[in-house]
Amino acid sequence: QQPVQSPQAVILREGEDAVINCSSSKALYSVHWYRQKHGEAPVFLMILLKGGEQKGHEKISASFNEKKQQSSLYLTASQLSYSGTYFCGTENAGGTSYGKLTFGQGTILTVHP
Amino acid sequence: DTGVSQNPRHKITKRGQNVTFRCDPISEHNRLYWYRQTLGQGPEFLTYFQNEAQLEKSRLLSDRFSAERPKGSFSTLEIQRTEQGDSAMYLCASSRTGGPGNTIYFGEGSWLTVV
Repeated sequence: QQPVQSPQAVILREGEDAVINCSSSKALYSVHWYRQKHGEAPVFLMILLKGGEQKGHEKISASFNEKKQQSSLYLTASQLSYSGTYFCGTENAGGTSYGKLTFGQGTILTVHP
Repeated sequence: DTGVSQNPRHKITKRGQNVTFRCDPISEHNRLYWYRQTLGQGPEFLTYFQNEAQLEKSRLLSDRFSAERPKGSFSTLEIQRTEQGDSAMYLCASSRTGGPGNTIYFGEGSWLTVV
């Protein structure tokens, strides 16, 4: 089942912060975050493996609450280059699901000058 | 490492024709995935290979779709008797192993337009 992302769209001015949430109804082993610009391939941002884990990549960080089956992506002091569609991909725990990602519907982030 | 390579990048075909896409994964990546993405949607899983073995196929993959990875290196995705609903971007991805928690890298995709 597809994870649910919220919000569907965010509009920011440069320097503002945003949070994108990803929620699953299934037990998760990991959550993968990607950013995709129009007409291009999804670009890997980060992967979160453990419950409660938090990771950072420049001004982009994320957390994963394994018990709640939720992950959040935090974008701070946004830059114009952050514009794009953000997808979470969830890896379900157990069986043959390992390695296979199920993606949310995406969150469109637009950063204006 | 060079990235995941896909070709052709764009294909326009008439309904009913067959098309084939090729994917070259990152060198030494054992796992290879095919996804399909339509406008405004996230990538949808189609199938994946562990080396040359096709391990799983989505129910989205009708009998008109076939994928191969004959020598465990490159892969092809063939669509027979294309329909307008097949218009989408077909994404290939690879990861080092099939174990959990591996980073999956996507290629730039092959756009298919069926007219």
